Amino acid sequence: EIVMTQSPATLSLSPGERATLSCRASQSVSGNLAWYQQKPGQAPRLLIYGASTRATGIPARFSGSDSETEFTLTISSLQSEDFAIYYCQQYNDWPTFGQGTKVEI
Amino acid sequence: EVLLVESGGGLVQPGGSLRLSCAASGFNFSTYEFNWVRQAPGKGLEWVSYISSSGNTFYSADSVRGRFTISRDDAKNSLYLQMNSLRAEDTAIYYCARIMELVATSDYWGQGTLVTVSS
Repeated sequence: EIVMTQSPATLSLSPGERATLSCRASQSVSGNLAWYQQKPGQAPRLLIYGASTRATGIPARFSGSDSETEFTLTISSLQSEDFAIYYCQQYNDWPTFGQGTKVEI
Repeated sequence: EVLLVESGGGLVQPGGSLRLSCAASGFNFSTYEFNWVRQAPGKGLEWVSYISSSGNTFYSADSVRGRFTISRDDAKNSLYLQMNSLRAEDTAIYYCARIMELVATSDYWGQGTLVTVSS
């Protein structure tokens, strides 16, 4: 099983600030990495796939970058609706998720 | 509009069974693969099971293998998860999720159905 580790667990920021979320894979996932956003009481929403491709309808302030095992989700300027939990997920093997990063005000 | 609507959750005693359903609309159901993913209360996401577009290939996580069975009915645009020998640790919201074409991750998710295993 590929283990995904996210950091930090919680990110406390203000609207307008830049958010940088990290995700590390226990082995190479060949760029098969997705990021999801989840708000309370809602299903996860796909933001990024292929480590850096925005899903349909996702604003340009969300961007993803990658190396073989280290991945980053950047939100360039936080909007009020961006405060949520973010999960990374690899799909190079059977899917596994990170434990999540909570972005809070 | 792509819609996935789960149903069938509820309270069940340990050792009991439930069958979850996921009704799909707004796309050509038969050409897509699907996952079931669950989320225990206040916890992260866990992949549960996968089924191919043909329905002939399916896999489950070690935690549920031998107890849960995924299936589909293309005539009804529906996905199912038969859950047997339920345990307290199976308590979670269960989501059905469509797998993107050409990219093996899920692009659309249902709103989830809560399964509670408790005596």
